[in-house]
Amino acid sequence: KQEVTQIPAALSVPEGENLVLNCSFTDSAIYNLQWFRQDPGKGLTSLLLIQSSQREQTSGRLNASLDKSSGRSTLYIAASQPGDSATYLCAVTGTASKLTFGTGTRLQVTL
Amino acid sequence: DTEVTQTPKHLVMGMTNKKSLKCEQHMGHRAMYWYKQKAKKPPELMFVYSYEKLSINESVPSRFSPECPNSSLLNLHLHALQPEDSALYLCASSRTSYEQYFGPGTRLTVT
Repeated sequence: KQEVTQIPAALSVPEGENLVLNCSFTDSAIYNLQWFRQDPGKGLTSLLLIQSSQREQTSGRLNASLDKSSGRSTLYIAASQPGDSATYLCAVTGTASKLTFGTGTRLQVTL
Repeated sequence: DTEVTQTPKHLVMGMTNKKSLKCEQHMGHRAMYWYKQKAKKPPELMFVYSYEKLSINESVPSRFSPECPNSSLLNLHLHALQPEDSALYLCASSRTSYEQYFGPGTRLTVT
Protein backbone atom coordinates (compact mmCIF):
# COMPACT_ATOMS: atom_id res chain seq x y z
CA LYS A 1 0.00 0.00 0.00
CA GLN A 2 1.36 3.42 -1.00
CA GLU A 3 2.24 5.71 1.89
CA VAL A 4 3.11 9.37 1.37
CA THR A 5 4.79 11.42 4.08
CA GLN A 6 5.54 15.14 4.18
CA ILE A 7 8.15 16.86 6.31
CA PRO A 8 7.90 19.22 8.08
CA ALA A 9 4.27 19.08 9.26
CA ALA A 10 4.32 22.84 9.91
CA LEU A 11 6.70 25.64 9.00
CA SER A 12 6.83 29.34 9.81
CA VAL A 13 9.21 31.60 7.89
CA PRO A 14 9.69 35.36 7.51
CA GLU A 15 8.71 36.99 4.24
CA GLY A 16 11.34 36.82 1.53
CA GLU A 17 12.89 33.56 2.64
CA ASN A 18 13.41 30.66 0.26
CA LEU A 19 12.06 27.34 1.53
CA VAL A 20 11.85 23.65 0.71
CA LEU A 21 9.00 21.25 1.43
CA ASN A 22 9.67 17.53 1.34
CA CYS A 23 7.55 14.60 0.21
CA SER A 24 8.43 10.91 0.30
CA PHE A 25 6.53 7.88 -0.98
CA THR A 26 7.03 4.17 -0.43
CA ASP A 27 6.06 2.68 -3.82
CA SER A 28 8.02 4.04 -6.79
CA ALA A 29 5.53 2.62 -9.34
CA ILE A 30 3.79 5.95 -9.93
CA TYR A 31 2.44 7.69 -13.03
CA ASN A 32 2.95 11.20 -11.74
CA LEU A 33 3.25 13.40 -8.67
CA GLN A 34 1.22 16.54 -8.04
CA TRP A 35 1.74 19.37 -5.59
CA PHE A 36 -1.41 21.13 -4.37
CA ARG A 37 -2.17 24.16 -2.27
CA GLN A 38 -5.19 24.29 0.04
CA ASP A 39 -6.43 27.36 1.89
CA PRO A 40 -8.47 26.74 5.06
CA GLY A 41 -11.92 25.30 4.29
CA LYS A 42 -11.33 25.50 0.54
CA GLY A 43 -10.71 23.10 -2.31
CA LEU A 44 -7.34 22.10 -3.72
CA THR A 45 -5.43 24.15 -6.27
CA SER A 46 -3.00 22.21 -8.45
CA LEU A 47 0.41 23.87 -8.45
CA LEU A 48 2.67 21.52 -10.40
CA LEU A 49 2.46 18.10 -12.00
CA ILE A 50 5.57 16.01 -12.63
CA GLN A 51 5.23 12.97 -14.85
CA SER A 52 7.15 9.88 -13.74
CA SER A 53 9.62 10.33 -16.61
CA GLN A 54 10.42 13.93 -15.64
CA ARG A 55 12.89 15.25 -13.06
CA GLU A 56 11.44 18.70 -12.37
CA GLN A 57 8.82 21.29 -13.22
CA THR A 58 8.80 25.04 -12.70
CA SER A 59 6.04 27.59 -12.44
CA GLY A 60 6.93 31.13 -11.44
CA ARG A 61 8.51 31.06 -7.97
CA LEU A 62 7.80 27.35 -7.58
CA ASN A 63 10.07 24.49 -8.57
CA ALA A 64 9.29 20.84 -7.92
CA SER A 65 11.71 17.96 -8.34
CA LEU A 66 11.12 14.24 -8.49
CA ASP A 67 13.50 11.37 -7.76
CA LYS A 68 11.32 8.37 -8.44
CA SER A 69 13.93 5.74 -7.63
CA SER A 70 14.44 7.09 -4.11
CA GLY A 71 10.76 7.93 -3.62
CA ARG A 72 11.27 11.64 -3.00
CA SER A 73 10.01 14.98 -4.22
CA THR A 74 10.73 18.52 -3.09
CA LEU A 75 8.82 21.75 -3.61
CA TYR A 76 11.02 24.85 -3.60
CA ILE A 77 9.36 28.22 -3.02
CA ALA A 78 11.51 31.25 -3.78
CA ALA A 79 11.11 34.64 -2.12
CA SER A 80 8.14 33.61 0.01
CA GLN A 81 5.21 36.01 0.50
CA PRO A 82 2.43 36.16 3.12
CA GLY A 83 -0.01 35.09 0.36
CA ASP A 84 1.87 31.78 0.16
CA SER A 85 0.51 30.84 3.59
CA ALA A 86 -1.56 27.68 3.14
CA THR A 87 -1.34 23.91 3.47
CA TYR A 88 0.73 22.22 0.78
CA LEU A 89 -0.11 18.64 -0.18
CA CYS A 90 1.80 16.29 -2.42
CA ALA A 91 0.00 13.37 -4.03
CA VAL A 92 1.08 10.47 -6.20
CA THR A 93 -0.98 8.77 -8.90
CA GLY A 94 -0.70 5.01 -8.87
CA THR A 95 -2.67 2.27 -10.59
CA ALA A 96 -6.28 2.86 -11.67
CA SER A 97 -5.76 6.63 -11.43
CA LYS A 98 -5.79 6.47 -7.63
CA LEU A 99 -4.33 9.57 -6.02
CA THR A 100 -2.68 9.06 -2.63
CA PHE A 101 -2.12 12.22 -0.62
CA GLY A 102 0.64 13.09 1.78
CA THR A 103 0.05 14.31 5.29
CA GLY A 104 0.54 17.98 4.32
CA THR A 105 2.77 20.86 5.39
CA ARG A 106 1.12 23.93 6.95
CA LEU A 107 3.11 26.97 5.87
CA GLN A 108 2.90 30.39 7.47
CA VAL A 109 4.84 33.29 5.99
CA THR A 110 5.09 36.20 8.41
CA LEU A 111 5.64 39.88 7.71
CA ASP B 1 -12.18 26.27 -18.96
CA THR B 2 -10.34 24.37 -16.21
CA GLU B 3 -13.09 24.62 -13.63
CA VAL B 4 -14.85 21.98 -11.60
CA THR B 5 -18.00 23.28 -9.92
CA GLN B 6 -19.74 21.83 -6.88
CA THR B 7 -23.12 22.58 -5.37
CA PRO B 8 -24.15 23.32 -2.74
CA LYS B 9 -21.24 25.06 -0.99
CA HIS B 10 -22.66 24.20 2.42
CA LEU B 11 -25.20 21.60 3.50
CA VAL B 12 -26.71 20.86 6.89
CA MET B 13 -28.81 17.72 7.12
CA GLY B 14 -30.38 15.56 9.77
CA MET B 15 -29.64 11.87 10.11
CA THR B 16 -32.95 10.90 8.49
CA ASN B 17 -32.69 13.26 5.51
CA LYS B 18 -31.90 12.42 1.90
CA LYS B 19 -29.77 14.94 0.02
CA SER B 20 -27.48 15.02 -3.00
CA LEU B 21 -24.18 16.69 -3.83
CA LYS B 22 -23.54 17.73 -7.40
CA CYS B 23 -20.30 18.10 -9.37
CA GLU B 24 -19.88 19.34 -12.93
CA GLN B 25 -16.97 19.77 -15.36
CA HIS B 26 -16.80 20.76 -19.02
CA MET B 27 -13.18 19.91 -19.74
CA GLY B 28 -13.99 16.67 -21.55
CA HIS B 29 -12.44 14.65 -18.74
CA ARG B 30 -13.57 11.04 -18.63
CA ALA B 31 -12.48 10.28 -15.06
CA MET B 32 -14.29 11.80 -12.07
CA TYR B 33 -13.71 11.32 -8.38
CA TRP B 34 -15.26 11.86 -4.95
CA TYR B 35 -13.03 12.51 -1.94
CA LYS B 36 -13.83 13.05 1.73
CA GLN B 37 -11.67 15.34 3.83
CA LYS B 38 -11.85 15.68 7.60
CA ALA B 39 -10.36 18.68 9.38
CA LYS B 40 -6.56 18.84 9.29
CA LYS B 41 -6.36 15.57 7.34
CA PRO B 42 -5.56 14.91 3.67
CA PRO B 43 -8.39 13.99 1.29
CA GLU B 44 -9.37 10.32 1.17
CA LEU B 45 -10.59 8.75 -2.04
CA MET B 46 -14.18 7.44 -1.98
CA PHE B 47 -15.16 6.66 -5.59
CA VAL B 48 -13.72 6.79 -9.09
CA TYR B 49 -15.76 6.87 -12.29
CA SER B 50 -14.04 6.14 -15.58
CA TYR B 51 -16.02 6.64 -18.79
CA GLU B 52 -19.19 6.96 -16.69
CA LYS B 53 -18.71 3.56 -15.06
CA LEU B 54 -17.83 3.06 -11.41
CA SER B 55 -14.28 1.70 -11.39
CA ILE B 56 -13.28 2.12 -7.74
CA ASN B 57 -15.30 2.04 -4.52
CA GLU B 58 -12.99 2.39 -1.53
CA SER B 59 -15.26 0.32 0.73
CA VAL B 60 -17.53 3.30 1.31
CA PRO B 61 -20.71 2.66 3.39
CA SER B 62 -23.88 2.23 1.33
CA ARG B 63 -25.39 5.39 2.84
CA PHE B 64 -23.22 7.14 0.21
CA SER B 65 -24.42 6.38 -3.31
CA PRO B 66 -22.57 7.83 -6.32
CA GLU B 67 -24.09 8.38 -9.73
CA CYS B 68 -22.61 9.54 -13.05
CA PRO B 69 -25.55 10.47 -15.33
CA ASN B 70 -23.27 11.68 -18.14
CA SER B 71 -19.64 12.51 -18.84
CA SER B 72 -19.91 16.01 -17.32
CA LEU B 73 -21.90 15.29 -14.16
CA LEU B 74 -21.21 13.41 -10.96
CA ASN B 75 -23.64 13.15 -8.07
CA LEU B 76 -23.29 11.82 -4.54
CA HIS B 77 -26.57 10.78 -2.95
CA LEU B 78 -26.67 10.86 0.84
CA HIS B 79 -29.10 8.98 3.07
CA ALA B 80 -29.19 8.18 6.79
CA LEU B 81 -25.82 9.75 7.46
CA GLN B 82 -24.10 9.84 10.84
CA PRO B 83 -22.58 12.88 12.57
CA GLU B 84 -19.11 11.46 11.88
CA ASP B 85 -19.81 11.84 8.15
CA SER B 86 -19.54 15.61 8.59
CA ALA B 87 -16.62 16.69 6.40
CA LEU B 88 -15.59 18.57 3.27
CA TYR B 89 -16.57 16.56 0.18
CA LEU B 90 -14.38 17.23 -2.82
CA CYS B 91 -14.98 16.34 -6.44
CA ALA B 92 -12.21 16.10 -9.02
CA SER B 93 -11.84 15.24 -12.67
CA SER B 94 -8.99 14.30 -15.00
CA ARG B 95 -7.97 12.68 -18.18
CA THR B 96 -7.23 9.16 -16.99
CA SER B 97 -3.97 9.05 -14.98
CA TYR B 98 -3.28 12.71 -15.60
CA GLU B 99 -3.51 15.90 -13.56
CA GLN B 100 -6.57 16.03 -11.34
CA TYR B 101 -8.56 19.25 -11.07
CA PHE B 102 -10.53 19.80 -7.89
CA GLY B 103 -13.72 21.67 -7.16
CA PRO B 104 -14.16 23.99 -4.16
CA GLY B 105 -15.93 21.34 -2.14
CA THR B 106 -19.19 21.00 -0.23
CA ARG B 107 -19.00 21.50 3.54
CA LEU B 108 -21.41 18.92 4.98
CA THR B 109 -22.68 19.00 8.55
CA VAL B 110 -24.82 16.11 9.82
CA THR B 111 -26.87 16.94 12.92
